Formats: sequence, structure tokens, C-alpha cells
Amino acid sequence: QQQVKQSPQSLIVQKGGISIINCAYENTAFDYFPWYQQFPGKGPALLIAIRPDVSEKKEGRFTISFNKSAKQFSLHIMDSQPGDSATYFCAASENDNAGNMLTFGGGTRLMVKP
Amino acid sequence: NAGVTQTPKFRVLKTGQSMTLLCAQDMNHEYMYWYRQDPGMGLRLIHYSVGEGTTAKGEVPDGYNVSRLKKQNFLLGLESAAPSQTSVYFCASSYSRGWEQFFGPGTRLTVL
Repeated sequence: QQQVKQSPQSLIVQKGGISIINCAYENTAFDYFPWYQQFPGKGPALLIAIRPDVSEKKEGRFTISFNKSAKQFSLHIMDSQPGDSATYFCAASENDNAGNMLTFGGGTRLMVKP
Repeated sequence: NAGVTQTPKFRVLKTGQSMTLLCAQDMNHEYMYWYRQDPGMGLRLIHYSVGEGTTAKGEVPDGYNVSRLKKQNFLLGLESAAPSQTSVYFCASSYSRGWEQFFGPGTRLTVL
């Protein structure tokens, strides 16, 4: 049973457009929600993260929107660029879990067309 | 600073063979993790360690063993490889609870 569900599995966006990736979770104890970016042949790297005390966090062209009541969060990539083409993973964890363990979504493969 | 490194990068095994994957980090991180990545499944935690000499099971530990004899190294062992263990394996480390996890470049393992 996947505790973090991510959609869509793949996404094609034109250069300059907005890419939107959604995640939903079940565990109400989750209180840390990072997004990871992975390029082919590389390991995932932290892109941006949010805690549930805020509803939105923005870093450059990347924004996380968080809806605690709906148990959903999303990544918006504004002015998408071909260099943003990668696989994106949402994740979640409980702050008091001893192992700092992350539960990942299934991933979204983003392609930005020039 | 090499960050997190993994050895080997690629490996092909026959069913029943054994092997060990090595993860090393030079960031003095306490926590280390082994994940496997399969299409559409994201990354799933196999085992993790919160310090030298400690290990714990993650979400999918069956068929794998781990050891953390030195703080900077985390080994993942497959005693009797099965085709279901064909995957890309990632090692990660973090300073402590609540800190970012840094990932290595991965090991692509194929079991025939």
C-alpha cells in the first residue's frame, strides 16, 4: 500500500509553460514534505521542501502548495525550461521517526519541449 | 568532498549468486540508508542505520542484509540473488533526524 500517491506518472510541457505535479498522503503524522529531482543516471537531489505550518513555499521558479485538510501537496514549476526535464519525486516523513525515514511517491517523468 | 559514493556502478549476477554493494560518505553523517528504485514505485527503503554499529529494517528488507562497521561506510549484501532483486540501488546519508538526505549515484543490478 503506497502511503504517498503521486500523479501524473509522466508530463509533457512546452517551454515557458507551468508544470504541476500532485501528491496525496494518508498518514496524518507526516510533517515534512520534500521534493526530489532526479536526472538520468544520477541520484535524487533535494529540490525544495515544506512543513505543514505554511501553505506555500517558493524558491525561484519552484513552488510547493500544501493543503493540510485535503492531505495534498503539489509542485509547480513556472516558466518550465528544457533543463527541468527530469523525474520528480514527492516524499513525506514524520519528524519524530527515529530513522528520519522518507516515504516516496511513485515519481513523475517531466519532459519540457523546446 | 566526494559526498556519497557507491561501488560498483553496474553489476550482473546469476540467480543464487551473492554480492555486496558498498556505500561511502565523507560528510561525517550519522544516518545512512539503502533504497531500491523500480519503475512506478519510487524509492523504497530497504535498511537504514542511525549510527556506527546500528542497523534497522525498512519497508522491503527481505533478501538483504546490511552492516555499518565504520561510520563512513554502509554495506548492502545479497546472499542469494533473485531476479526480483533486479533494480537500481541508491545509498543516502543525512546528518541527523530532520536533516536533508544526500543520495549517491546508484548501482544498477541485473539478476539473470
